[in-house]
Amino acid sequence: QVQLVQSGTEVKKPGASVKLSCKASGYTVTNYHIHWVRQAPGQGLEWMGIINPSGGSTDYAQKFQGRVTMTRDLPTNTVYMELSSLRSEDTAVYYCAREVATRTFGFWGQGTLVTVSP
Amino acid sequence: DIQMTQSPSTLSASAGDRVTITCRASQSISDWLAWYQQKPGKAPKLLIYRASNLESGVPSRFSGSGSGTEFTLTIRSLQPDDFATYYCQQYNSYGSWMFGQGTKVEIK
Repeated sequence: QVQLVQSGTEVKKPGASVKLSCKASGYTVTNYHIHWVRQAPGQGLEWMGIINPSGGSTDYAQKFQGRVTMTRDLPTNTVYMELSSLRSEDTAVYYCAREVATRTFGFWGQGTLVTVSP
Repeated sequence: DIQMTQSPSTLSASAGDRVTITCRASQSISDWLAWYQQKPGKAPKLLIYRASNLESGVPSRFSGSGSGTEFTLTIRSLQPDDFATYYCQQYNSYGSWMFGQGTKVEIK
């Protein structure tokens, strides 16, 4: 079955970077795009960007341009999302999600909590 | 950017009620609209795709309708398991995705 398993909780200081992982299994990782979505405490869902694991191409939400980098490692079926210049407002749960044929998010990771605090 | 406006932000209802949630786009998105359910501490779950198509395994009391700029999610007879937060999500031809602000369905 399709599974997306994300890395564990992170605590970072303002100005630092964080790199999260999302390990896919149960399907051919190059066949489907992966998205990153975040959710600040008590807030809604925010789309951050997309990576095509096949060629590695990416597209980021304008808000995160210049601060986010999405990459993949095909031998390990893992996708990464790195966010730099962290600030307190980046405190959130970060989800990876696999796109399905209908341009929606059919499978989700369990989420990774990132806390940014001095 | 296409903006999504979801309403209401909170909805109080009783089990057995019929509830409707609306999502409006600032410009036409055809039928590229999905609905998700999220429970506290959990990842969202896809309910409806392409505005009106029920995802496999989702109970038939959920339905979606609309096209262009106005969309609705209807829960025909609210069950205890349906108390959750619901989000619409659009995909547009500019290659970006956006979520509505969410609607919390709470027990009356």
